[in-house]
Amino acid sequence: RKEVEQDPGPFNVPEGATVAFNCTYSNSASQSFFWYRQDCRKEPKLLMSVYSSGNEDGRFTAQLNRASQYISLLIRDSKLSDSATYLCVVKRTGGFKTIFGAGTRLFVKA
Amino acid sequence: GAGVSQSPSNKVTEKGKDVELRCDPISGHTALYWYRQSLGQGLEFLIYFQGNSAPDKSGLPSDRFSAERTGGSVSTLTIQRTQQEDSAVYLCASSTDNTDTQYFGPGTRLTVL
Repeated sequence: RKEVEQDPGPFNVPEGATVAFNCTYSNSASQSFFWYRQDCRKEPKLLMSVYSSGNEDGRFTAQLNRASQYISLLIRDSKLSDSATYLCVVKRTGGFKTIFGAGTRLFVKA
Repeated sequence: GAGVSQSPSNKVTEKGKDVELRCDPISGHTALYWYRQSLGQGLEFLIYFQGNSAPDKSGLPSDRFSAERTGGSVSTLTIQRTQQEDSAVYLCASSTDNTDTQYFGPGTRLTVL
């Protein structure tokens, strides 16, 4: 079993739709959590950090459930420009090793 | 300011040859990571450098892989006796001491024939 698992998708949604991605992690010592975005043939870029209390950045909402060891990302009012691969990222306690999930592909269509 | 840069952007080599990939992190960033991303796959952690501390080499897949970071800045990843399964995009990222945000370079696409 991979340490960080994501549904690979693809998710095909129309513009304006709300879409949610989940990610599970197996190492309970994981400390920090992030969502990165990767466009086709481009490098990953930080989308948002994920805090225990949940956090929102515009149309994007991230949630963390430590008890169940999963992280979620909600995108509201999807735009064509949201089409990308979304990477769930977990950082372990006491170190700097960062584990990336394989990513969830999102296609937003007009 | 300048971001993370990597060179070459593309490298085609023959099986058995050695290759050297270079990463220039953002100025002032003390942490540097190397990752590998195979086609359609997620990022695979290779190695981590932090300041003058011993690097975390736990992700290097074999002893054919090595990396160094000179002067706390530029890093080179060396792959000896390349194999076809080494074909991938090699990504470098840097970050500051007290933030978890990693800034990635554009990557080097390695093709081993």
